[in-house]
Amino acid sequence: ETGVTQSPTHLIKTRGQQVTLRCSSQSGHNTVSWYQQALGQGPQFIFQYYREEENGRGNFPPRFSGLQFPNYSSELNVNALELDDSALYLCASSFDRVGEKLFFGSGTQLSVL
Amino acid sequence: AQSVTQLDSQVPVFEEAPVELRCNYSSSVSVYLFWYVQYPNQGLQLLLKYLSGSTLVKGINGFEAEFNKSQTSFHLRKPSVHISDTAEYFCAVSPNSGGYQKVTFGTGTKLQVIP
Repeated sequence: ETGVTQSPTHLIKTRGQQVTLRCSSQSGHNTVSWYQQALGQGPQFIFQYYREEENGRGNFPPRFSGLQFPNYSSELNVNALELDDSALYLCASSFDRVGEKLFFGSGTQLSVL
Repeated sequence: AQSVTQLDSQVPVFEEAPVELRCNYSSSVSVYLFWYVQYPNQGLQLLLKYLSGSTLVKGINGFEAEFNKSQTSFHLRKPSVHISDTAEYFCAVSPNSGGYQKVTFGTGTKLQVIP
């Protein structure tokens, strides 16, 4: 158990819809990152939030957006869903230092039909 | 930019035999190196990390890895595997400076321990 919880565990959406995924960070962690893991691939960095502000982003379009709240919980929002968005979405919390261990949740499996 | 190559997508090995999972990386800046393990239907868990110092790093569950800067490799080893080691293993790197921690993962190696 890492102390990082994600909801929901599974989700089915249709193309064009919008989705919100949620993450509760481990106690004391002020940084949260989101990763997309497609089937048979390694996780890919979407973005990172530190103290409620986005401070780093990977190669994902603007329809992927996020929020981090004062209690350091977080949301990932994806607009205009595409079939290729089907993946496992992982949330990871950490302290704010580079090189620190990431604590991952079990993920949300998103299927876009 | 960084990239990670895990040469073996699957590695079958008999129980109690040694195993090596290979990882090579490419980066234009200095990096930290990690190995994570993912059990079925779970998130990733850190096995070990190299930040600096001794190039031989020991992690949890009897795993170790050796950083080789000249060969840009960070291979993971275990002298004797158990059935419980069956999982997917990911090598990863992140820049050791900058304002945020962007971790780049390889495509993973599935370790299958055969009884």
